[in-house]
Amino acid sequence: AQSVAQPEDQVNVAEGNPLTVKCTYSVSGNPYLFWYVQYPNRGLQFLLKYITGDNLVKGSYGFEAEFNKSQTSFHLKKPSALVSDSALYFCAVRDPNNTDKLIFGTGTRLQVFP
Amino acid sequence: NAGVTQTPKFQVLKTGQSMTLQCAQDMNHEYMSWYRQDPGMGLRLIHYSVGAGITDQGEVPNGYNVSRSTTEDFPLRLLSAAPSQTSVYFCASSRKPGLAGEQFFGPGTRLTVL
Repeated sequence: AQSVAQPEDQVNVAEGNPLTVKCTYSVSGNPYLFWYVQYPNRGLQFLLKYITGDNLVKGSYGFEAEFNKSQTSFHLKKPSALVSDSALYFCAVRDPNNTDKLIFGTGTRLQVFP
Repeated sequence: NAGVTQTPKFQVLKTGQSMTLQCAQDMNHEYMSWYRQDPGMGLRLIHYSVGAGITDQGEVPNGYNVSRSTTEDFPLRLLSAAPSQTSVYFCASSRKPGLAGEQFFGPGTRLTVL
């Protein structure tokens, strides 16, 4: 079965430090991978996606993600965290059997401390 | 563009009551979907539609109905509310099925069933 795992419920990082939010996936065929962010009391916002091509994908707000096929991972990264980056982050993979259906991870809460 | 709009923002129901959650988008998107978000479970797909007149079930469809009479609107009906349906509901849309494009989310409806 297709699935996405976000092993950390919460990630804490000091402002100015690099951050990583982890995601691993299990899917048949070539994966289409996404990251979304949810700010308090808001809907999800698209950050970036990997479809094919360069393994390093750049997205909104200075975020990037690295696709690693051998480790089946798609970790979200940012070189220098901001307090305003504090939010809930979701990794998702497109269901290869049903186009546009997204399978979401359980989410990781990122807390950036001043 | 208003994007994806949802009404109401909050709703409290008694067990057995019925109601309709409204969702509309003004981006002429063909694909629309409903998710529910529960703590520690990420987002789970309830129903989706690839165009007007076409709907299908997601992974948790029981207790919910949908219809898609126009491209713009995709209401979600709770037939007989149960406490297990207490959740935050998100509507989402994307431009065209199969393009692996980003999904745009509404602000959500927080539903409590007593």
